[in-house]
Amino acid sequence: DIQMTQSPSSMSVSLGDRVTITCRASQDIGNYLSWYQQKPEKSPKLMIYGATNLEDGVPSRFSGSRSGSDYSLTINSLESEDTGIYFCLQHKQYPRTFGGGTKLELK
Amino acid sequence: QVQLKESGPGLVQPSQTLSLTCTVSGFSLMDYSVHWVRQPPGKGLEWMGRMKYDGDTYYNSALKSRLSISRDTSKSQVFLKMNSLQTEDTAIYYCTRVPDNNYPFDYWGQGVMVTVSS
Repeated sequence: DIQMTQSPSSMSVSLGDRVTITCRASQDIGNYLSWYQQKPEKSPKLMIYGATNLEDGVPSRFSGSRSGSDYSLTINSLESEDTGIYFCLQHKQYPRTFGGGTKLELK
Repeated sequence: QVQLKESGPGLVQPSQTLSLTCTVSGFSLMDYSVHWVRQPPGKGLEWMGRMKYDGDTYYNSALKSRLSISRDTSKSQVFLKMNSLQTEDTAIYYCTRVPDNNYPFDYWGQGVMVTVSS
């Protein structure tokens, strides 16, 4: 199975901060990497697909990038509505596997 | 609009069988695949298996011996059955939609909490 190692597991951030979350894949997954945001008591929301593509309706302060087997989600100028848990998903191979999640909280 | 909704018992006794239903609207099960994902309290997400749009199924090998996914396209429903439940199967169970192979989950249901306890 492909292991997705996500870091950090939590972040305490301030409004306006630039935030970067990373997932490292244990095997080649190409660009079959997506990012999700999950709010308390809500189902996950697709934010980024294909490693770098912004899902419709997602604010442009969100972006995705790839460097080798490292995939990053960046939030420029954090807003209060961006708090929650973020996780990555690889959909190159079965079983689909997820990063462990990053909890983003305001200081 | 696209919706998925899970339903099923909130409490299941150990060693019993879990039966969940995912009722979808806004799309056809013959055009999109439906996957099941679960999340134990305080833990990460685990992919369980999928019903492809052509009726083909595929399971996580860790659950394959206990898991079955089926569907009724006329009712727009996908079913999950898992037997021999144990306390570690306590989780929120989600059904999700996938447009095509190697695509991400683009819509998720609200999830249903299942507790395994006597």
